[in-house]
Amino acid sequence: AQSVTQLGSHVSVSEGALVLLRCNYSSSVPPYLFWYVQYPNQGLQLLLKYTSAATLVKGINGFEAEFKKSETSFHLTKPSAHMSDAAEYFCAVSGVQGAQKLVFGQGTRLTINP
Amino acid sequence: DAGVIQSPRHEVTEMGQEVTLRCKPISGHNSLFWYRQTMMRGLELLIYFNNNVPIDDSGMPEDRFSAKMPNASFSTLKIQPSEPRDSAVYFCASSLTSGWTGELFFGEGSRLTVL
Repeated sequence: AQSVTQLGSHVSVSEGALVLLRCNYSSSVPPYLFWYVQYPNQGLQLLLKYTSAATLVKGINGFEAEFKKSETSFHLTKPSAHMSDAAEYFCAVSGVQGAQKLVFGQGTRLTINP
Repeated sequence: DAGVIQSPRHEVTEMGQEVTLRCKPISGHNSLFWYRQTMMRGLELLIYFNNNVPIDDSGMPEDRFSAKMPNASFSTLKIQPSEPRDSAVYFCASSLTSGWTGELFFGEGSRLTVL
Protein backbone atom coordinates (compact mmCIF):
# COMPACT_ATOMS: atom_id res chain seq x y z
CA ALA A 1 0.00 0.00 0.00
CA GLN A 2 1.13 3.52 -0.68
CA SER A 3 0.69 6.71 1.33
CA VAL A 4 2.06 10.21 1.52
CA THR A 5 2.45 12.63 4.40
CA GLN A 6 2.71 16.33 3.81
CA LEU A 7 4.32 18.18 6.68
CA GLY A 8 2.55 21.43 7.34
CA SER A 9 -0.99 22.11 6.24
CA HIS A 10 -0.18 25.78 5.79
CA VAL A 11 3.05 27.44 4.69
CA SER A 12 3.51 31.18 4.44
CA VAL A 13 6.49 32.84 2.74
CA SER A 14 7.35 36.31 1.54
CA GLU A 15 7.43 37.17 -2.13
CA GLY A 16 10.89 36.39 -3.46
CA ALA A 17 11.69 33.92 -0.69
CA LEU A 18 12.42 30.22 -1.03
CA VAL A 19 9.42 27.91 -1.14
CA LEU A 20 9.83 24.49 0.47
CA LEU A 21 6.89 22.11 0.74
CA ARG A 22 7.60 18.77 2.36
CA CYS A 23 6.37 15.35 1.33
CA ASN A 24 7.32 11.93 2.64
CA TYR A 25 6.02 8.76 1.10
CA SER A 26 5.54 5.15 1.98
CA SER A 27 5.43 2.55 -0.73
CA SER A 28 5.93 -1.19 -0.94
CA VAL A 29 7.03 -0.91 -4.55
CA PRO A 30 9.20 1.60 -6.37
CA PRO A 31 6.94 4.63 -6.43
CA TYR A 32 5.85 7.12 -8.95
CA LEU A 33 5.56 10.49 -7.20
CA PHE A 34 3.73 13.62 -8.20
CA TRP A 35 3.01 17.15 -7.15
CA TYR A 36 -0.29 18.67 -8.17
CA VAL A 37 -1.44 22.27 -7.67
CA GLN A 38 -4.97 23.49 -7.07
CA TYR A 39 -5.89 27.12 -7.55
CA PRO A 40 -9.07 28.43 -5.90
CA ASN A 41 -12.26 26.97 -7.33
CA GLN A 42 -10.38 24.86 -9.83
CA GLY A 43 -9.43 21.24 -10.25
CA LEU A 44 -5.95 19.91 -9.70
CA GLN A 45 -3.27 20.15 -12.35
CA LEU A 46 0.03 18.35 -12.60
CA LEU A 47 3.06 20.35 -11.51
CA LEU A 48 5.75 17.70 -11.90
CA LYS A 49 6.37 13.97 -11.61
CA TYR A 50 9.05 11.43 -10.75
CA THR A 51 8.85 8.15 -12.63
CA SER A 52 12.20 6.48 -11.85
CA ALA A 53 14.34 8.50 -14.21
CA ALA A 54 16.27 11.56 -12.98
CA THR A 55 15.92 12.12 -9.25
CA LEU A 56 15.74 15.89 -9.65
CA VAL A 57 12.67 16.76 -11.64
CA LYS A 58 11.64 20.13 -12.94
CA GLY A 59 8.07 21.22 -13.40
CA ILE A 60 6.07 24.18 -14.51
CA ASN A 61 6.34 27.68 -13.06
CA GLY A 62 9.90 27.20 -11.82
CA PHE A 63 9.14 24.43 -9.34
CA GLU A 64 11.33 21.39 -8.87
CA ALA A 65 11.45 18.37 -6.59
CA GLU A 66 14.10 15.86 -5.62
CA PHE A 67 13.43 12.19 -5.02
CA LYS A 68 15.49 10.91 -2.09
CA LYS A 69 14.99 7.21 -1.58
CA SER A 70 17.08 7.09 1.60
CA GLU A 71 14.82 9.70 3.18
CA THR A 72 11.62 8.55 1.45
CA SER A 73 11.06 12.17 0.57
CA PHE A 74 9.96 14.19 -2.43
CA HIS A 75 10.05 17.81 -1.31
CA LEU A 76 8.92 20.60 -3.61
CA THR A 77 10.98 23.77 -3.94
CA LYS A 78 11.04 27.04 -5.79
CA PRO A 79 13.91 29.51 -5.34
CA SER A 80 11.82 32.66 -5.44
CA ALA A 81 8.13 32.81 -4.60
CA HIS A 82 5.72 34.81 -6.70
CA MET A 83 2.31 36.04 -5.68
CA SER A 84 0.75 33.81 -8.33
CA ASP A 85 2.12 30.73 -6.54
CA ALA A 86 -0.52 31.05 -3.83
CA ALA A 87 -2.50 27.82 -4.06
CA GLU A 88 -2.89 24.42 -2.47
CA TYR A 89 -0.29 21.82 -3.30
CA PHE A 90 -0.79 18.07 -3.15
CA CYS A 91 1.80 15.35 -3.13
CA ALA A 92 0.66 12.00 -4.55
CA VAL A 93 2.05 8.51 -4.94
CA SER A 94 1.24 5.50 -7.05
CA GLY A 95 2.82 2.12 -7.33
CA VAL A 96 4.31 1.20 -10.67
CA GLN A 97 1.92 -1.67 -10.94
CA GLY A 98 -1.65 -0.59 -11.62
CA ALA A 99 -0.20 2.82 -11.71
CA GLN A 100 -3.18 4.99 -12.20
CA LYS A 101 -4.56 4.85 -8.70
CA LEU A 102 -3.06 7.92 -7.07
CA VAL A 103 -3.08 8.43 -3.32
CA PHE A 104 -2.95 12.09 -2.38
CA GLY A 105 -1.60 13.77 0.70
CA GLN A 106 -3.69 16.14 2.77
CA GLY A 107 -2.42 19.17 0.92
CA THR A 108 -0.39 22.24 1.90
CA ARG A 109 -1.85 25.68 1.46
CA LEU A 110 0.83 28.13 0.33
CA THR A 111 0.35 31.81 1.13
CA ILE A 112 2.63 34.47 -0.33
CA ASN A 113 3.10 37.69 1.63
CA PRO A 114 3.88 40.87 -0.30
CA ASP B 1 -9.29 21.26 -26.56
CA ALA B 2 -12.11 20.72 -24.11
CA GLY B 3 -11.03 19.47 -20.73
CA VAL B 4 -12.99 17.31 -18.34
CA ILE B 5 -16.48 18.75 -18.03
CA GLN B 6 -18.49 18.37 -14.87
CA SER B 7 -22.03 19.40 -14.09
CA PRO B 8 -23.53 20.89 -12.11
CA ARG B 9 -20.81 23.16 -10.73
CA HIS B 10 -22.87 23.83 -7.64
CA GLU B 11 -25.73 21.88 -6.13
CA VAL B 12 -27.68 22.67 -3.01
CA THR B 13 -30.20 20.09 -1.93
CA GLU B 14 -32.04 18.89 1.11
CA MET B 15 -31.29 15.79 3.07
CA GLY B 16 -32.95 12.75 1.59
CA GLN B 17 -32.98 13.99 -1.97
CA GLU B 18 -31.27 12.20 -4.84
CA VAL B 19 -28.21 13.88 -6.29
CA THR B 20 -26.68 13.08 -9.67
CA LEU B 21 -23.30 14.45 -10.68
CA ARG B 22 -22.15 14.18 -14.27
CA CYS B 23 -18.81 13.98 -15.98
CA LYS B 24 -17.61 14.06 -19.55
CA PRO B 25 -13.98 12.93 -19.80
CA ILE B 26 -11.48 14.16 -22.34
CA SER B 27 -12.12 12.54 -25.68
CA GLY B 28 -9.86 9.53 -26.17
CA HIS B 29 -9.13 9.02 -22.50
CA ASN B 30 -10.07 5.55 -21.31
CA SER B 31 -9.75 5.89 -17.55
CA LEU B 32 -12.08 7.91 -15.37
CA PHE B 33 -11.85 8.70 -11.68
CA TRP B 34 -14.24 10.15 -9.11
CA TYR B 35 -12.64 11.92 -6.13
CA ARG B 36 -14.23 13.64 -3.16
CA GLN B 37 -12.57 16.57 -1.40
CA THR B 38 -13.42 17.71 2.12
CA MET B 39 -11.55 19.75 4.68
CA MET B 40 -11.49 16.87 7.12
CA ARG B 41 -10.52 14.00 4.84
CA GLY B 42 -8.76 15.70 1.95
CA LEU B 43 -8.92 14.06 -1.46
CA GLU B 44 -10.38 10.58 -1.47
CA LEU B 45 -10.63 8.30 -4.48
CA LEU B 46 -14.17 6.97 -4.63
CA ILE B 47 -14.07 4.82 -7.75
CA TYR B 48 -12.26 4.48 -11.01
CA PHE B 49 -13.15 3.00 -14.36
CA ASN B 50 -10.99 1.63 -17.12
CA ASN B 51 -12.59 1.21 -20.54
CA ASN B 52 -15.98 1.87 -18.92
CA VAL B 53 -15.56 -0.97 -16.42
CA PRO B 54 -15.32 -0.23 -12.69
CA ILE B 55 -11.89 -1.37 -11.52
CA ASP B 56 -11.81 -0.28 -7.91
CA ASP B 57 -14.80 0.99 -5.94
CA SER B 58 -13.32 0.39 -2.52
CA GLY B 59 -13.53 4.09 -1.76
CA MET B 60 -17.26 4.37 -2.24
CA PRO B 61 -18.52 5.27 1.23
CA GLU B 62 -21.65 3.17 1.36
CA ASP B 63 -24.56 1.83 -0.61
CA ARG B 64 -26.05 5.28 -0.96
CA PHE B 65 -23.35 6.02 -3.51
CA SER B 66 -23.32 4.53 -6.98
CA ALA B 67 -21.39 5.32 -10.14
CA LYS B 68 -21.90 4.34 -13.74
CA MET B 69 -20.09 4.76 -16.98
CA PRO B 70 -22.45 3.72 -19.77
CA ASN B 71 -20.07 4.81 -22.51
CA ALA B 72 -16.62 6.27 -23.02
CA SER B 73 -17.84 9.84 -22.94
CA PHE B 74 -20.09 9.96 -19.91
CA SER B 75 -20.16 9.00 -16.25
CA THR B 76 -22.47 9.70 -13.34
CA LEU B 77 -22.08 9.62 -9.60
CA LYS B 78 -25.35 9.28 -7.76
CA ILE B 79 -26.12 9.73 -4.09
CA GLN B 80 -29.48 8.48 -2.88
CA PRO B 81 -30.56 9.49 -0.31
CA SER B 82 -28.20 12.37 0.33
CA GLU B 83 -27.07 13.36 3.83
CA PRO B 84 -25.41 16.51 5.20
CA ARG B 85 -22.11 14.63 5.62
CA ASP B 86 -22.00 14.14 1.86
CA SER B 87 -21.35 17.87 1.45
CA ALA B 88 -18.06 18.14 -0.41
CA VAL B 89 -16.49 18.98 -3.74
CA TYR B 90 -16.64 16.03 -6.09
CA PHE B 91 -14.00 15.88 -8.81
CA CYS B 92 -13.95 13.82 -11.93
CA ALA B 93 -10.62 13.14 -13.63
CA SER B 94 -9.60 11.26 -16.75
CA SER B 95 -6.42 9.84 -18.20
CA LEU B 96 -5.09 7.69 -20.99
CA THR B 97 -3.96 4.26 -19.87
CA SER B 98 -1.65 3.53 -22.75
CA GLY B 99 1.74 5.09 -22.12
CA TRP B 100 0.39 6.61 -18.95
CA THR B 101 2.57 9.49 -17.78
CA GLY B 102 1.03 9.93 -14.37
CA GLU B 103 -1.10 12.88 -15.29
CA LEU B 104 -4.72 12.94 -14.31
CA PHE B 105 -6.78 15.67 -15.91
CA PHE B 106 -9.28 17.07 -13.44
CA GLY B 107 -12.53 18.84 -14.01
CA GLU B 108 -13.40 21.95 -12.05
CA GLY B 109 -15.50 19.99 -9.58
CA SER B 110 -19.09 19.90 -8.42
CA ARG B 111 -19.64 21.54 -5.06
CA LEU B 112 -22.43 19.75 -3.23
CA THR B 113 -24.19 21.16 -0.20
CA VAL B 114 -26.74 18.98 1.55
CA LEU B 115 -28.89 20.86 4.05
